[in-house]
Amino acid sequence: EVQLVESGGGLVQPGGSLRLSCAASEFAFTYYSMNWVRQAPGKGLEWVSYISSSSSTIHYADSVKGRFTISRDNAKNSLYLQMNSLRAEDTAVYYCARLLGDITADYWGQGTLVTVSS
Amino acid sequence: QSALTQPRSVSGSPGQSVTISCTGTSSDVGLYNYVSWYQQHPGKAPKLMIYDVNKWPSGVPDRFSGSKSGNTASLTISGVQAEDEADYYCCSYASRYTWVFGGGTKLTVL
Repeated sequence: EVQLVESGGGLVQPGGSLRLSCAASEFAFTYYSMNWVRQAPGKGLEWVSYISSSSSTIHYADSVKGRFTISRDNAKNSLYLQMNSLRAEDTAVYYCARLLGDITADYWGQGTLVTVSS
Repeated sequence: QSALTQPRSVSGSPGQSVTISCTGTSSDVGLYNYVSWYQQHPGKAPKLMIYDVNKWPSGVPDRFSGSKSGNTASLTISGVQAEDEADYYCCSYASRYTWVFGGGTKLTVL
């Protein structure tokens, strides 16, 4: 069974930084593109960022562009999200998701909570 | 990237059919046959229920079905069951490796 396990969430002050990790197992991580998706408390889902299997293509939502950086290490079966200049509105559960056919998020991790507050 | 429009809530009695709509634009739902639907129970991760408008992932009951007409996609649950009570989100590919989600619909089984 495909497994995605996020970690690295926590409480951070506005303007601070945090790095999220997503450990993948039970599938050939090297061949799949990945997304980060977030969900603010009591709110809906919001796409955050995309990275292709080889890291050659990367895209961000306008709300995080210039502040967040997505990356991956295929040798370690891991996906990352470096989050800088954090704002209160970045408070959310962050999910990593595997992309089927480069388009559909078919498996999701359990999420990691990021709280931005002073 | 504006969110897709979903009704905030729908309800139905066990055995009834319920339909959740998802309205986008000619730049997302209307342009691509890449609409997916997710089920989310409280405190849990989203689960893929329908992809590419009307395809089923392995293990999803066929009482869930999807369709699309113009800029509006729909998820229909035929013969709703108590365990179907959850939040449902639509999602559309919106070009150049960006995606847009709907605001979510809470399904209540009466």
